Formats: sequence, structure tokens, C-alpha cells
Amino acid sequence: DAGVTQSPTHLIKTRGQQVTLRCSPKSGHDTVSWYQQALGQGPQFIFQYYEEEERQRGNFPDRFSGHQFPNYSSELNVNALLLGDSALYLCASSSESGDTQYFGPGTRLTVL
Amino acid sequence: QKEVEQNSGPLSVPEGAIASLNCTYSDRVSQSFFWYRQYSGKSPELIMSIYSNGDKEDGRFTAQLNKASQYVSLLIRDSQPSDSATYLCAVRQDGKQFYFGTGTSLTVIP
Repeated sequence: DAGVTQSPTHLIKTRGQQVTLRCSPKSGHDTVSWYQQALGQGPQFIFQYYEEEERQRGNFPDRFSGHQFPNYSSELNVNALLLGDSALYLCASSSESGDTQYFGPGTRLTVL
Repeated sequence: QKEVEQNSGPLSVPEGAIASLNCTYSDRVSQSFFWYRQYSGKSPELIMSIYSNGDKEDGRFTAQLNKASQYVSLLIRDSQPSDSATYLCAVRQDGKQFYFGTGTSLTVIP
């Protein structure tokens, strides 16, 4: 049973560029949440997708957008990258009715 | 005021001792409470969840919840060097987003 997978593992971009990160949830899970974790900080909630719609959103600007596909996989898009966007981006999956979420290995984004 | 607060540490304990990790939260309607462990460079992994006041034990780990004091803790008995990691407290209202603390760094000294 595959757990949560994310790609790519690492990514280096320059300011102003755009990036797309990908996530496949754990088998049986239909809800995907995205988090940003800066160095030395806890994960910060970006948004959550369920049934291909954004269900909740944290305090992040519109430069951060996402999508969920019919197979429950998800993408996180960040436009007009800033140096401050450098962080570990985590995807977590859960069932819609469940509280337990499982994290993927993360994507380390570096913005130069 | 932060939704979830933890002492960032570092907390150092000798091998075999009890490590005590604490967390306070600001929203009284929070209903679900979680402890995650995060090794350096890795993603968080769930250790325990707790929903009711009192203690919940799982192996060497005990979570304690006091909703009146808005306080949740994690005790690690017989600490091992492999327990050295950052421990994240997370809090959630029913159906709402998870709020994480900044984490407490634990080092278990052999």
C-alpha cells in the first residue's frame, strides 16, 4: 500500500518564476492538504482539496493556487516566486471523514 | 497570539529518562489534538491523537489533555537516542484546518 508521494524531491527556482508541485494521496484517501514549512517552524496550512474543490484556505496570497484531479491527486502552483517562498512543501492526505492525516516526504523548494 | 505554542527547546534528557513535551492552544473549541515526530530533513509522522480529557497511552508514549487549561502534553518513557527529533503539536476544530506549533527539539543523550 503506497503512502503519500510527492514530486519532485528538490527544486531550485529564481525569483519571479512559477513552480508546480505534485502529490498523490495514500490509497483510500480523498482529501489532500498542502502545508509550507519554513526552516525551524511548524507546518503552515495553505489549503485543502476535496472533491476537486478548494474546501479551506489558510492565510496565503493568491499566488498560491491548487488543483485536485478525479483520481484525488493534487498540484500546488506558486506564481511570481519570492525568496521567502523557500521552504519544505508538504502534502498530507486523509479521508474526508477522518482526522488522521499522513504526510508525504515533501518537496524542498529553494528560490534564488 | 499564536494558536498553538510550544517551547522550542532544545530539550535534552539522558537515555532511559522520561521526556516531557508541552503544548498550549488558544482556541477553546478545539476538539482534536495530535503529536507528530519529525526527524531532521524528513516529514512529520503521527505518533498519537487524543480527543478526551485525561491520559492516552501507546507503548512508551502517553498523551495528556486538559481542555480546561487548554494544555496537551506528551510523555516519552525510557527515552532512546532514536527518539531524538522535533516533536510537533497540532490542534484542530471539527472539520477545520490543523494548526501546528513550532515544535520542540528533543535530544536523548546516550
